[in-house]
Amino acid sequence: GAVVSQHPSRVICKSGTSVKIECRSLDFQATTMFWYRQFPKQSLMLMATSNEGSKATYEQGVEKDKFLINHASLTLSTLTVTSAHPEDSSFYICSAPRGGLNTGELFFGEGSRLTVL
Amino acid sequence: GENVEQHPSTLSVQEGDSAVIKCTYSDSASNYFPWYKQELGKRPQLIIDIRSNVGEKKDQRIAVTLNKTAKHFSLHITETQPEDSAVYFCAASMGGGADGLTFGKGTHLIIQP
Repeated sequence: GAVVSQHPSRVICKSGTSVKIECRSLDFQATTMFWYRQFPKQSLMLMATSNEGSKATYEQGVEKDKFLINHASLTLSTLTVTSAHPEDSSFYICSAPRGGLNTGELFFGEGSRLTVL
Repeated sequence: GENVEQHPSTLSVQEGDSAVIKCTYSDSASNYFPWYKQELGKRPQLIIDIRSNVGEKKDQRIAVTLNKTAKHFSLHITETQPEDSAVYFCAASMGGGADGLTFGKGTHLIIQP
């Protein structure tokens, strides 16, 4: 079946540093990918929609200068958490629809657990 | 925007019994309702979905029902097994698919042996 791969699965960084997370669709092309954040025992909260070849669309309350998204190819989107702080520690998950945005099934990456010290 | 409410937050059932999780949505324009299962520390996986042109869909022990008038949909799991223990999320979107999915807060399903 379709696979979305996310890397790294775990990352620990110092406060003030930047961390990049990659999301790849392995066997299909995705012009759109989604980035979510999930705090412990909570639901998935959509952060932004990544669009290939154009700017990402951010949800209300999500700082675009802090969470940089780049969707440079049809199979890769990256999320960079800039100047990370302990409150940014969370589980970040990407997803991509296969078969079209409005008809396809949404596949999730494995998630990346970020811990900021 | 869309608001999805999910109940209960925790559900404990005896192995072999049925489990029902309910969700309501606010926007009558929503037309796609998937359910995801997430095991601890893992990715959510689609287990079943329904579109607004049908009222019920079944896949082996799992079924989903949709009441468009009341704007609610439910997940039914019959003959529950230990491996059904997980967090289940409902979601709704207006795009007919993956675009703009709004998730419920999740239900932690515990299957008691």
